[in-house]
Amino acid sequence: EDQVTQSPEALRLQEGESSSLNCSYTVSGLRGLFWYRQDPGKGPEFLFTLYSAGEEKEKERLKATLTKKESFLHITAPKPEDSATYLCAVLRTIQGAQKLVFGQGTRLTINP
Amino acid sequence: DSGVTQTPKHLITATGQRVTLRCSPRSGDLSVYWYQQSLDQGLQFLIQYYNGEERAKGNILERFSAQQFPDLHSELNLSSLELGDSALYFCASSEGTANLGETQYFGPGTRLLVL
Repeated sequence: EDQVTQSPEALRLQEGESSSLNCSYTVSGLRGLFWYRQDPGKGPEFLFTLYSAGEEKEKERLKATLTKKESFLHITAPKPEDSATYLCAVLRTIQGAQKLVFGQGTRLTINP
Repeated sequence: DSGVTQTPKHLITATGQRVTLRCSPRSGDLSVYWYQQSLDQGLQFLIQYYNGEERAKGNILERFSAQQFPDLHSELNLSSLELGDSALYFCASSEGTANLGETQYFGPGTRLLVL
């Protein structure tokens, strides 16, 4: 069964304190791994797509990496506005249909 | 702003009632997806439509149904509502080419409260 596990569940950092969020997955036929950011009561906002092991993507203070079993979201020198829940999801394609399986998310809080 | 719109933003109703949630995808997107997000379950895939036809089903209850219209907007119908149906309901859309893992763009959601 497809499974996506994110750790830690919650992370509290000081402004400027870099860290990494983990997303481990077990899925056959991976067609992509996605990172989203979600603010309370809002829809998930797309951040990155990674397709193959070794791939990396960067955007401002965020960098996503992918291996065959897990993905990391590295946050460098975070600011309070980076506080949000970060969601990881894996995409499978089954008979032409695309199924996105989400992890439970990591709730990140950046204190000023 | 993802370009996906959902109405209404909030909905309060009673048990046993029926409601309809509406979604307009991004311009040009052919695929629409519906998700349910509750505190204990996280984001759960319900159903996908592609160009008017049902493409995939997830954990969708029999009391729930959806459709996609010729103008590509979609509606999710929830009937015989129960307290446990209270959740955020999100619509997402993607191009629908399925050549590679497509990015799904999410709308702002509809918050449903069943009393």
